[in-house]
Amino acid sequence: DAKTTQPTSMDCAEGRAANLPCNHSTISGNEYVYWYRQIHSQGPQYIIHGLKNNETNEMASLIITEDRKSSTLILPHATLRDTAVYYCIVRVDSGGSNYKLTFGKGTLLTVNP
Amino acid sequence: DTAVSQTPKYLVTQMGNDKSIKCEQNLGHDTMYWYKQDSKKFLKIMFSYNNKELIINETVPNRFSPKSPDKAHLNLHINSLELGDSAVYFCASSRRDGYTFGSGTRLTVV
Repeated sequence: DAKTTQPTSMDCAEGRAANLPCNHSTISGNEYVYWYRQIHSQGPQYIIHGLKNNETNEMASLIITEDRKSSTLILPHATLRDTAVYYCIVRVDSGGSNYKLTFGKGTLLTVNP
Repeated sequence: DTAVSQTPKYLVTQMGNDKSIKCEQNLGHDTMYWYKQDSKKFLKIMFSYNNKELIINETVPNRFSPKSPDKAHLNLHINSLELGDSAVYFCASSRRDGYTFGSGTRLTVV
């Protein structure tokens, strides 16, 4: 799976949009971009994933550049409960349910009041 | 109605003891995993099972033995516990487009 690079930490004001970048310049054509987050002392939580089109769900939006070498996770109205470590992960979707997620260091997002 | 449940949540034990952590998922997923998160917060895969069959074994010491009696359960047994085994252990199950993690078991070896 391609490697990802994320900033170590970011701050965001409560109620503002949080934009978390991820670089995956070696991504290949069949690799998806996944985002997970881990709130302190909890298990990681799936947020969103995409291949090349922008995606949106009830939690966030995912913007993938046209060359797919980077992406941005957007939390449109960050709340204090969004303070967590956010992980950007790239993996091949082979169609099955058995696959390894390789977690990097992630970005610690701190939402301030 | 917890999706992936682990027990116990906390486990404190002495070096040399043998302990088990249990995991159950009610999502109907075919694949289950054990991940370890150490003191530096790195999350690393240990094992995966698909329909009770071991698929991934990431060079984990033989003291760690996973057991899957059925596809809804994946237990982790650890023999001769060492100080370095202290960590948070997460169980997970997966469908094609994502994992669901349990809330973790914090193991402290003293």
